[in-house]
Amino acid sequence: KQEVTQIPAALSVPEGENLVLNCSFTDSAIYNLQWFRQDPGKGLTSLLLIQSSQREQTSGRLNASLDKSSGRSTLYIAASQPGDSATYLCAVRNTGNQFYFGTGTSLTVIP
Amino acid sequence: DAGVIQSPRHEVTEMGQEVTLRCKPISGHDYLFWYRQTMMRGLELLIYFNNNVPIDDSGMPEDRFSAKMPNASFSTLKIQPSEPRDSAVYFCASSAQWGGGEKLFFGSGTQLSVL
Repeated sequence: KQEVTQIPAALSVPEGENLVLNCSFTDSAIYNLQWFRQDPGKGLTSLLLIQSSQREQTSGRLNASLDKSSGRSTLYIAASQPGDSATYLCAVRNTGNQFYFGTGTSLTVIP
Repeated sequence: DAGVIQSPRHEVTEMGQEVTLRCKPISGHDYLFWYRQTMMRGLELLIYFNNNVPIDDSGMPEDRFSAKMPNASFSTLKIQPSEPRDSAVYFCASSAQWGGGEKLFFGSGTQLSVL
């Protein structure tokens, strides 16, 4: 069974810093990997999706990379802002058509 | 499109009562997923449907839980009888036809409290 791990569980940075969130998965036979953002009391919002054939995706200040062979993905956030404070989850879609979620990284950006 | 729509947003009930959660997926999506989120266990997949047919319900915790999808635009998750340990946020999500590049879209969730 696919296992998805996110480290660290919590991260606190001063505003303006660049930061990296990590996601690792045990089974490299995936179709895609998706990064989500969840604000307190809200649902999950999709940020970026990387297909298994891709190495990275970018959206604004966000850049996600995928190394399928090593079972790793990173989410890079440039010039962090207080509005970036949220929980970030990664999810892997496997060949069995299920999505497996990590437990998330809680990010706090301090003004 | 309005996105995935769930109702109610909040549900407070007493132990032993029946609870029904509702979901309307995004039009054209043929995969529908029910998740439960708690602090202790994170996001857990309960069941998912493809073209209204349940494909995998191995995540449904007990016989007290049941889910239906009578048509492409509506699904329900029912708990009968409810117990305090069922208290959680229940999310519905939908995705388009299998092909590898489709995103998963979530509803806003139903916060369930069983007293």
